Formats: sequence, C-alpha cells, structure tokens
Amino acid sequence: DAGVIQSPRHEVTEMGQEVTLRCKPISGHDYLFWYRQTMMRGLELLIYFNNNVPIDDSGMPEDRFSAKMPNASFSTLKIQPSEPRDSAVYFCASSFRDREGDTQYFGPGTRLTVL
Amino acid sequence: AQSVTQLDSQVPVFEEAPVELRCNYSSSVSVYLFWYVQYPNQGLQLLLKYLSGSTLVKGINGFEAEFNKSQTSFHLRKPSVHISDTAEYFCAVTKIQGAQKLVFGQGTRLTINP
Repeated sequence: DAGVIQSPRHEVTEMGQEVTLRCKPISGHDYLFWYRQTMMRGLELLIYFNNNVPIDDSGMPEDRFSAKMPNASFSTLKIQPSEPRDSAVYFCASSFRDREGDTQYFGPGTRLTVL
Repeated sequence: AQSVTQLDSQVPVFEEAPVELRCNYSSSVSVYLFWYVQYPNQGLQLLLKYLSGSTLVKGINGFEAEFNKSQTSFHLRKPSVHISDTAEYFCAVTKIQGAQKLVFGQGTRLTINP
C-alpha cells in the first residue's frame, strides 16, 4: 500500500491567495483527518470525516478554512484567503475502525508558507 | 474530555543510554493509548499502541511502553538508544467508544548525543 498521499509537499504563496491542499487516504479506510502542526500550538485536529461525511469541524480556525471529501479516495483542505499565520505543516491521516483500535496513518504533510 | 500531558518537552541522552519518556492522561472513560514518532521533516509514524491485555506493550525499533491504569500513565522506554532515535515523540489517546478523535500531548523532543 502506498500509504496516505498528500500534495503538494511544499507550498509557498502570498497573503490573500487561495491555497488547496490534497489528500488521498489509504484504500479501505473510512475515517479521514486533517491536522495542523505549528511550534506554538503543536498538533491540532482541524476536521475529520467518516464515510465522506464531516463529523467534527470544531477545530477549523475560521471561515477562511473549508474541507471537502467528495469521495472515499480524495479530500481537500482549502484556505481562502490565506494569511501569514496560516503557515504550518498540514497533515492528513486516515484510519479504519476495527478490532485493532483506531490507529491513524499519517501522510508526509504539506509545508505551507504564506508570505 | 480526554487530555494528555507529556511531562518533558526535551530529553537529551547519550547514545546507548536508557531513556524514558513520560506520558500521563486524563479521561473519564476507557481509552486506547498510542505513541507516535516524528522524524525530522516527516509525518507521524505509529510506534506502539495499547488496546487491552498485557500492560507491557512492545513496539518498533526496540521501544516499549507500560500502561498503568492506577497512575493513568503510559511511559515509553528504550534500554539503549541510537543516534537514529533522534525525533519527536507524541503520546495520544482516543475513546474506546464513540468518536475516533486522537488527543495528542505536546510532544517530547528526544536528542541523542554521541
């Protein structure tokens, strides 16, 4: 299995621009998570989906952030407009709820820099 | 709600020395417990997990952790570390019943000195 795939790996943009981060979960997994990691705040859960349906978006910082999961193999996290304080590493993770517990498998992350 | 406290933000040790990274959690319900490792510029990788059964759990790369329910702790140990163990380590919990949300600690940066 290729694992969780994220693109792009690095993104540099200017303040005010729209940014779209992409994620392909592991095939067969029914949960998908978006996290943000910064030095100041550590790892924060932004939103998660179950069977393509958003379950909890309480971690989404503000209306500038939106996430979609149009099908079981693809999700996007969009920031519009972007601001310098959005600079962080964004991780996508997926899992499958079974007797082995809720192990989440993480992608390599997208390092976002907003100038 | 669940919470996780990693008691040390940084732990420097010499190569081949033993190490313990401490993790305490708080929860009113039963939880699963995890340790993840993050190498520089990489995503998080599962090191080990406790679901049930034996309280001593063995993971990858020679790490092990012991679940102590009375002390609500899940400390990570390795008897002899290598330079390659330099990384950030995260303790996490999730409720057994209900939402799949992982609650992470703030992380412990393990630095191995030669």
